[in-house]
Amino acid sequence: DGGITQSPKYLFRKEGQNVTLSCEQNLNHDAMYWYRQDPGQGLRLIYYSQIVNDFQKGDIAEGYSVSREKKESFPLTVTSAQKNPTAFYLCASSPAGHSPSTDTQYFGPGTRLTVL
Amino acid sequence: AQTVTQSQPEMSVQEAETVTLSCTYDTSESDYYLFWYKQPPSRQMILVIRQEAYKQQNATENRFSVNFQKAAKSFSLKISDSQLGDAAMYFCAYRRKQYGNKLVFGAGTILRVKS
Repeated sequence: DGGITQSPKYLFRKEGQNVTLSCEQNLNHDAMYWYRQDPGQGLRLIYYSQIVNDFQKGDIAEGYSVSREKKESFPLTVTSAQKNPTAFYLCASSPAGHSPSTDTQYFGPGTRLTVL
Repeated sequence: AQTVTQSQPEMSVQEAETVTLSCTYDTSESDYYLFWYKQPPSRQMILVIRQEAYKQQNATENRFSVNFQKAAKSFSLKISDSQLGDAAMYFCAYRRKQYGNKLVFGAGTILRVKS
């Protein structure tokens, strides 16, 4: 069945290591997004991509990188330059066009990243 | 820049009763979308309801309805006949009416449902 999958569910990283979070969708959505959630705060946008091979920085892109080589996939790399990476990361996607059904973002189950 | 404010960090409601969660936002745009998302303990974000700013009629989805006051920039969520499964964190979110644009979230309101 269709949906957005994120893996792994839990991820542990040592300081100084890069890690990559996976996000895959089989909804045929054009746009994909990465958000970060910290306790007591709403979600904040890290990066987004409206089309394959193109992406834009969000509000908190420093220390993160992404790629969009396939429509279905939008992996997020948390680099050692990210000073406080421990957080819950959510991936989302939305269809193209402008209609009530296409302007809504749908979310994956999330990945909890902990830096040891 | 757009901002979204949820002034109630936590709310409680008795099962079967009604509760209203508040949300205000700031924008200079005239056409946009507003959303309420629910995040249960599983942390999966679930869309509850959406509102298009140019529509004056308040959106309704079963037990969930909104009170959209465009001039006051207010977008409250009313949950009727509250159920134990409604217990979750609720986020209000704003989005400009442009494809690929980001969601701007409030800080969230924790809703507890008492049996």
